Amino acid sequence: EIVLTQSPGTLSLSPGERATLSCRASQSVSNSYLAWYQQKPGQAPRLLIYGASSRATGIPDRFSGSGSGTDFTLIISRLEPEDFAVYYCQQYGSVPWTFGQGTKVEIK
Amino acid sequence: QLQLQESGPGLVKPSETLSLTCTVSGGSISSNNYYWGWIRQPPGKGLEWSASISYSGTTYYNPSLKSRVTISVDTSKDQLSLRLSSVTAADSAVYYCVHYYHDNSGYFYPPSTWGQGTLVTVSS
Repeated sequence: EIVLTQSPGTLSLSPGERATLSCRASQSVSNSYLAWYQQKPGQAPRLLIYGASSRATGIPDRFSGSGSGTDFTLIISRLEPEDFAVYYCQQYGSVPWTFGQGTKVEIK
Repeated sequence: QLQLQESGPGLVKPSETLSLTCTVSGGSISSNNYYWGWIRQPPGKGLEWSASISYSGTTYYNPSLKSRVTISVDTSKDQLSLRLSSVTAADSAVYYCVHYYHDNSGYFYPPSTWGQGTLVTVSS
């Protein structure tokens, strides 16, 4: 099983600032099948990024993903008020699918 | 546009079997290249994949649940089901039904369509 470790656990930033979230895998993620999700309280997760760097349909270009192998990054270039949420990475290249523990982006 | 709606009992007693249904609308559950799955989230915690099933009926299970979980589809009703036996309090969670697929080149896309989730509490 691939273990995903996200850092930091919490990111305290102001609107307009840049957010950098990390996801490290215990072994290489097959085909770079690494996704990022955003989750707000009481809502289902929303797919942001798939294949490590491709934006899902309708996702603003302030969200970008990068990385390969075992190290992946999600960057939110300029935080909007609606971006404050919990973010999860997920690998879907091998069974069992696994998720990171989440990074909470909160308003400073 | 594909939509998913979970339904279930809400409260299940310890040692009993949890049964959930997901009704698919806006598309056919048996469409080629389509996959369906269940992901759960204990209150205040992270996400855990439970099981998936392909358009051809191939099943995939999380080893942590494999001996207790069964996923199936009813193509006549466009419904996905999950059964989890011998439940304990640790199985209390919001259960999400999800859809994903691969394109004709075999490239996989992760779940982009999620149901709203259904909360299941295991308690006597």
